[in-house]
Amino acid sequence: AQRVTQPEKLLSVFKGAPVELKCNYSYSGSPELFWYVQYSRQRLQLLLRHISRESIKGFTADLNKGETSFHLKKPFAQEEDSAMYYCAPQGNYGGSQGNLIFGKGTKLSVKP
Amino acid sequence: EADIYQTPRYLVIGTGKKITLECSQTMGHDKMYWYQQDPGMELHLIHYSYGVNSTEKGDLSSESTVSRIRTEHFPLTLESARPSHTSQYLCASSVGTVPYEQYFGPGTRLTVT
Repeated sequence: AQRVTQPEKLLSVFKGAPVELKCNYSYSGSPELFWYVQYSRQRLQLLLRHISRESIKGFTADLNKGETSFHLKKPFAQEEDSAMYYCAPQGNYGGSQGNLIFGKGTKLSVKP
Repeated sequence: EADIYQTPRYLVIGTGKKITLECSQTMGHDKMYWYQQDPGMELHLIHYSYGVNSTEKGDLSSESTVSRIRTEHFPLTLESARPSHTSQYLCASSVGTVPYEQYFGPGTRLTVT
């Protein structure tokens, strides 16, 4: 089965500190990779996709095919970054093909 | 306003009752999804649809059923609710050509007593 692992359930940092949210996926090939975010009292929404190589709200995501990792990084965390973050690779075979596979999520808490 | 709606937001119901969770979107999206999420756990895809009269089962086996008679409407039904169905149910939609950019509804939190 295609799996996604986000090893940290909770990540707490101080404002201005660098932050890295880890994500590993268990399958080979070149899946498309995405990060979704859910702010307090808001809906789950797309944050960024790897293929566009964009920086959204200061976040970037680094793909390491050898390690099958797709970590989300930001050099200087802000309090408004506090949210739940989900790594979501796109399935690339069988019944999962084309569908997103969500990790358990990491809750980021940025303290003042 | 273009949006995706779910009703009810919260539902507490007794074992054995039939329930239908509603999901509607006004964005004209052809692809729709139902996810189930237990607290602190992953979102699991339980059903999806490519368009009218198309329904597929997702990765997680579910006793629920869905229908897609109209593009904008994708209801989920449980014929006989059980405590094991207690969970949050999230509906989402996307443009078929951009399936990764999913727009989520606010969710329905179901408790079966």
